[in-house]
Order: sequence, then C-alpha cells, then structure tokens
Amino acid sequence: EAQVTQNPRYLITVTGKKLTVTCSQNMNHEYMSWYRQDPGLGLRQIYYSMNVEVTDKGDVPEGYKVSRKEKRNFPLILESPSPNQTSLYFCASSLSRAGGGYTFGSGTRLTVV
Amino acid sequence: KNEVEQSPQNLTAQEGEFITINCSYSVGISALHWLQQHPGGGIVSLFMLSSGKKKHGRLIATINIQEKHSSLHITASHPRDSAVYICAVRNAPNAGGTSYGKLTFGQGTILTVHP
Repeated sequence: EAQVTQNPRYLITVTGKKLTVTCSQNMNHEYMSWYRQDPGLGLRQIYYSMNVEVTDKGDVPEGYKVSRKEKRNFPLILESPSPNQTSLYFCASSLSRAGGGYTFGSGTRLTVV
Repeated sequence: KNEVEQSPQNLTAQEGEFITINCSYSVGISALHWLQQHPGGGIVSLFMLSSGKKKHGRLIATINIQEKHSSLHITASHPRDSAVYICAVRNAPNAGGTSYGKLTFGQGTILTVHP
C-alpha cells in the first residue's frame, strides 16, 4: 500500500530534550515536506526537500532541522524543543515539485512541557 | 489578505442536503487540492485539479482558473461527511524562487452534518 509513515503519533517531552519525528514514504516520491497545524493558523510549511540532499526552509523553520540522506526518509529534528513547538505535525510527499497529488502521514501530536 | 480564502468557515447541514464550500486564491497556481481532515487528525487528499471538474462518488470539485476560484460540492450529505475541508494551492513555476511547488493552505471549513 502506498503510504507515508510518520512516527510517533503522540509525544510528550520536556523543554530542551532533543527529539526526532520520523517520516518515510514508499512511493519513490522526490518531494517531501513538513507542516505544523495550529488552531487559528492552519497548516504552515516548516521545511521541504526536492530530492536527496536538497532541502530548504518553509515559512516557519525556526527551531527545526531536517535531513534527506535517502529518498524515502525525511526526519524532522527538534534540537531543543520549546513549549511554542507544541503542535500537530504532518509529513507529506509528492511525486515532484512540479506536480502530482500529495500523500500525508497520519500526524504527530507533540506536547512540549 | 490570505493568499487562499475559504468560505464558509463553519457549515452545519441536515443529512441529505447539498453542500458547497468555496475557495478563492490570489497566486498563480499549477494545481489546486481539496483535502479532508476528520476528527483525530489524519489528512486525506480528495481531489487535485488544474482545470474543469472532477467527480468521485458524491463529491464534485470544480475550478475556474480565470476567476481563481474553486468549489467543492457534496451531494446527499451524510453525517460521516462531517470533517474539516481544506483547500490548498500549489504555486506555479512563475511564482519564482523557493515558492515554486509550495503548498499554501486555506484556513479550512468545518462541516457538521446532523442526522
């Protein structure tokens, strides 16, 4: 089954403790991206990647890092999480930057206390 | 002004009613997506449109590129259609720089269908 697998689904952590949210797709998609969803603000792009070793900032990149060492994986790293990063996070993939439908992961609800 | 505007923000209907959700955008796009998000959070892609009209079951999506407007229709609505519907546009190549290919989202329409 074609899918984007995101883990974990739920995570509670403390301020400053590094964490990684994993994202993996099995569709050989070139384009992958991370979004956060907050009440009243909707979905906003954090980082995106057009292919292996090609990543760039989205609208709200502060406090986040990403890497794309393999085509299928696009982890989101919070080096020193803060409470304002409490949010619902989604990873998504698409065939390419130019076109194709999007497939979303099931989401990660992160709480930073 | 947001680049993608949806209306209405909230919509309540009785089972069986015909529903329309509207989306207007101000940027050049290569495609428009309609997404569905159920309580519990997962996002599912319903349609991708670059012109004309698409139909899937009771759902119909249309787009008018000249007017920069799209509509999502649900015929014979059912309580299981209750969800948030999100319009998203993919920036066109002439958007330039890092905007090309980016998805910009509307705020979403919360639909509740009562039995």
